[in-house]
Amino acid sequence: EIVLTQSPATLSLSPGERATLSCRASQSVSRSEHLAWLQQKPGQAPRLLIFGASNRATGIPDRFSGSGSGTDFTLTISTLEPEDFAVYYCQLYLGPPPKYTFGQGTKLEIK
Amino acid sequence: QVQLQESGPGLVEPSGTLSLTCVVSGDSVSSDYWWTWVRQPPGKGLEWIGEKHHTLSAAYHPSFKGRVTILIDKSKNQFSLNLNSMTAADTAVYYCGRAPGGYYACDSWGQGTLVTVSS
Repeated sequence: EIVLTQSPATLSLSPGERATLSCRASQSVSRSEHLAWLQQKPGQAPRLLIFGASNRATGIPDRFSGSGSGTDFTLTISTLEPEDFAVYYCQLYLGPPPKYTFGQGTKLEIK
Repeated sequence: QVQLQESGPGLVEPSGTLSLTCVVSGDSVSSDYWWTWVRQPPGKGLEWIGEKHHTLSAAYHPSFKGRVTILIDKSKNQFSLNLNSMTAADTAVYYCGRAPGGYYACDSWGQGTLVTVSS
């Protein structure tokens, strides 16, 4: 079964800087459309940022972008805003039959 | 604007059964979505439990098979999660979500409900 490993575990940056978060799959992902990125702030539900590896969800600012294929996927936040400091998860569809797995998360914290 | 709202007991006894409901407003459970349950143990990451489309059989993560059921109630526009043989390891925040076909992820989420397994 494919395992997602996110790195780094914690990323310390300042507002205005660029953030690059990695999600690596233990095996090549057959379809990049199966990879998503979510953001979660403390005490809140997750929020979908990117689906299909590179498609921004409705209402997501264009400073968020996703890329990658095969085993390596990246979430980039071009210019960090104060509200971007949160935990980020990648998620992968493993089916059929339907099954999903999540990475362990990257905490983006203010430096 | 779709809204999802989980409801259910905050405390379940060990070996008991958890029953949660997710009421959907602003959309129909008969639409082309996968209605999904995800959980998050305190301080830990996300775990997919299962999902159901109104026209298809439910799908469950293998780690829950045999003790989980997801049902859709079209008359009440809601869906539910039943998880039996609960242990302390099932203590978590449980989220319901809506996954559009082709997204392979939930684009809308409930706010989550904390379920604690304890006597």
